[in-house]
Amino acid sequence: KAGVTQTPRYLIKTRGQQVTLSCSPISGHRSVSWYQQTPGQGLQFLFEYFSETQRNKGNFPGRFSGRQFSNSRSEMNVSTLELGDSALYLCASSLVGTGWGEQYFGPGTRLTVT
Amino acid sequence: DQQVKQNSPSLSVQEGRISILNCDYTNSMFDYFLWYKKYPAEGPTFLISISSIKDKNEDGRFTVFLNKSAKHLSLHIVPSQPGDSAVYFCAAKIEGAQKLVFGQGTRLTINP
Repeated sequence: KAGVTQTPRYLIKTRGQQVTLSCSPISGHRSVSWYQQTPGQGLQFLFEYFSETQRNKGNFPGRFSGRQFSNSRSEMNVSTLELGDSALYLCASSLVGTGWGEQYFGPGTRLTVT
Repeated sequence: DQQVKQNSPSLSVQEGRISILNCDYTNSMFDYFLWYKKYPAEGPTFLISISSIKDKNEDGRFTVFLNKSAKHLSLHIVPSQPGDSAVYFCAAKIEGAQKLVFGQGTRLTINP
């Protein structure tokens, strides 16, 4: 079974631009979560989607948004990029919709904002 | 507000000995605790978890201990192997939510 895939793997953007990152979950997984990893803040939860609906949200500004499609693939968008948005963005998928399901992480997208 | 803390950024252990990684938390609403292992250029990989109603869970060389009164958990790896060298993240799940709160990570190095 293929794992979680994220595209692109690396991205360089300029301050003020916007960016869209993509995540394809493991086949059959309907829950997709996004995390930001930075050296200073560690891994921080952004949001979680299930059946095209955002169920949980972390403490990030409105510049960070996401969506999920009917095939469970998910995208996250960051508008008006700031230097501090440089990070590794990780996507994780989970099988179950309620309760707790083990999260499987993708390799991440490394975003550099210059 | 760091709800999950790993106070040791790094740990060095000799091959064959025990590795003990520690984690402290502050939120009493956490109902599951997990350990993830991360290699460079890869996403975190799930290692082992423990429910808040238990105090120990064992899986092969990995054992997680939970002390709820102290709000502390630890991961024991016995015996440590060179392939265990990685960054280990402690994570906690908030009750009723598919959301993990991670610690800062501890870089474990196993020396031959």
